[in-house]
Amino acid sequence: QVQLVQSGAEVKKPGASVKISCRASGFTLSTYYIHWVRQAPGQGLEWMGIISPSGSSTTYAQNFQGRVAMTRDTSTSAVYLELNILRSDDTAVYYCARPLIEYSGSFPDLWGQGTLVTVSS
Amino acid sequence: EIVLTQSPGTLSLSPGERATLSCRASQTINSNYLAWYQHKPGQAPRLLIYGASTRATGIPDRFSGSGSGTDFTLTISRLEPEDFALYYCQHFDSSPYNFGQGTKLEI
Repeated sequence: QVQLVQSGAEVKKPGASVKISCRASGFTLSTYYIHWVRQAPGQGLEWMGIISPSGSSTTYAQNFQGRVAMTRDTSTSAVYLELNILRSDDTAVYYCARPLIEYSGSFPDLWGQGTLVTVSS
Repeated sequence: EIVLTQSPGTLSLSPGERATLSCRASQTINSNYLAWYQHKPGQAPRLLIYGASTRATGIPDRFSGSGSGTDFTLTISRLEPEDFALYYCQHFDSSPYNFGQGTKLEI
């Protein structure tokens, strides 16, 4: 079955870091860009950034510059999102998403199940 | 950066009625790079329309997209009970690939 499987829920204290994984099942992750999107409670969808198929190129939304890192591990067919210096307003569900077409950054149509990150003292 | 503004914020309709959702961009978007998603609580977003007007795989034909330039529309011709959800537009013209703030379609 073609799917993206994300790591489980996390609870972190303010100032800490979180690293979420996104693994492919049923397809080759290394030929796709991967987006990361989050939704805070009661808020809309927020685009965080994108990583290229090779992992050599990343583009981050301005809101996260300096605090975020997206990486790939080809040996484990996984993509990672790391967010540092967590604040309470980083509490959200984080999604990874794969575009329709290989080597294209547009139109994610396959989404992970979401990972809830709770930031609380 | 391109900002997307969706209207209305909330749309109250009944099953069987027609829904028209708007997405306006702060600058011209290549219409090949505009998508619409449906999002229900506890689920991942679902791609409905890409390229402004192409239905994604498995999307019923009651969903249609149109528009170009700065004005785009998602139309649901005859609302089914399962269509009541949040709807977002998103562009892929240039980074950042912003979403609109969403339209809540409620009964």
